This record gives sequence, structure tokens and C-alpha cells, in this order.
Amino acid sequence: DGGITQSPKYLFRKEGQNVTLSCEQNLNHDAMYWYRQDPGQGLRLIYYSQIVNDFQKGDIAEGYSVSREKKESFPLTVTSAQKNPTAFYLCASSIGPGSTDTQYFGPGTRLTVL
Amino acid sequence: AQKITQTQPGMFVQEKEAVTLDCTYDTSDQSYGLFWYKQPSSGEMIFLIYQGSYDEQNATEGRYSLNFQKARKSANLVISASQLGDSAMYFCAMREGRRAGGTSYGKLTFGQGTILTVHP
Repeated sequence: DGGITQSPKYLFRKEGQNVTLSCEQNLNHDAMYWYRQDPGQGLRLIYYSQIVNDFQKGDIAEGYSVSREKKESFPLTVTSAQKNPTAFYLCASSIGPGSTDTQYFGPGTRLTVL
Repeated sequence: AQKITQTQPGMFVQEKEAVTLDCTYDTSDQSYGLFWYKQPSSGEMIFLIYQGSYDEQNATEGRYSLNFQKARKSANLVISASQLGDSAMYFCAMREGRRAGGTSYGKLTFGQGTILTVHP
């Protein structure tokens, strides 16, 4: 089955620690995205990548880092510089520039800082 | 700057009735796309329907239809024959248009969402 997987589903982190959230897709999509969702809010874009080995900052990139070494994978690292990292993180992918370029989402990772 | 507004924090509907979820947007782009997503309590965002700014007809996908009024900058979602499983958060989102030079970037700007509750 084609789709987007994220792991882990739940993640707990101590203050001062870096953590990496995994996102993998087998849809052969060129573009991938990371969003953050806070309770009762819409999604905000953290980083996006339109092609392998290239990525761009979104609206709230501070305290986060990403890599795109493979087309299928777009891991997100939440660094200790992120002041309020507790949130729900969603990864998405899309075909890339085109007529609709619909983004499809993974199941999400819920990060809690203890 | 783009903006998406969903003015209804919560909506209630009786099972088998139709319901309209409101969405207005603001953009200076001529080419843009409008999306609706459903987010059940599990958290996953499920794509429902898409409307392009140049599409003349309203989009439909099964029980979902998008009432697109370009002059009013509104893109309301209509769910016909509501089912209990439709209870969820619904988000309207907009993708900005192509940039100069032909490069298109697909950033989505989301509204705050509307919680829909379907009563039996």
C-alpha cells in the first residue's frame, strides 16, 4: 500500500534534548512538508522540500532542522533551541509543482516535553 | 499575505441532514487552489476536495461539494446526508499560486478549523 508513515506515534523528550521525527513516503512524490499543530489550531509550516538535497524554511523554522538525502525520507529534528516544542507534528507529501499538487498527510507524531 | 478564515468554531447537524462549513480567503494571487481536509480524533489529515481558482464549476466528491464564489472569496464545504462518522475537525486551506519564473511552491495556509458534531 502506498502512503506516508511517521514514527514514533508518541514521543517524550526531556528539556535540552534533541529529538528526530521520522517521515517516509512510498508515493514517489517529489515534495515533502513538515507542519506543526497546536491544540485547537490550524497547521503551520515548518520546512518543505521540493526535491532531494534541497529544502526551504517555512513560517516557523526556528529551532528545527531537516534533511532530504533520499526522495522517500524527510526527517525533522526538534532541537533544544525550540522553546515550546510540545505539539502535534504532521508530515505531508505531494507530487510537486503541477495542476493541483494535493498534499497527503501521514498519521502524525505527538511530541511532549517533560 | 494570504489568510483563511473559518468563522464557525463548532457546528452541529442531525444525521442525514446537510451541513455547510464556511470558509473565506484573502489573496492577491490570480492562480490559487482551495482545499478541504478532515481531521478525526486520531489526528490524521484526510484530503476531501479541491477547487482551482480557474475552475468554472464547483468541485464535487461523493457527498462533499465545494460552493466556490470567487467574487466573494468564499469556498464553503457542503456535506450532504451527514453520517456519524463525519464528526471531526474540518480545515479549509489555500495554496498560493505560481511565482514569477514558473516555479510553483505548494505551501498551504490553513484556517483555524470547524468542529463538526453529527447527532443521531
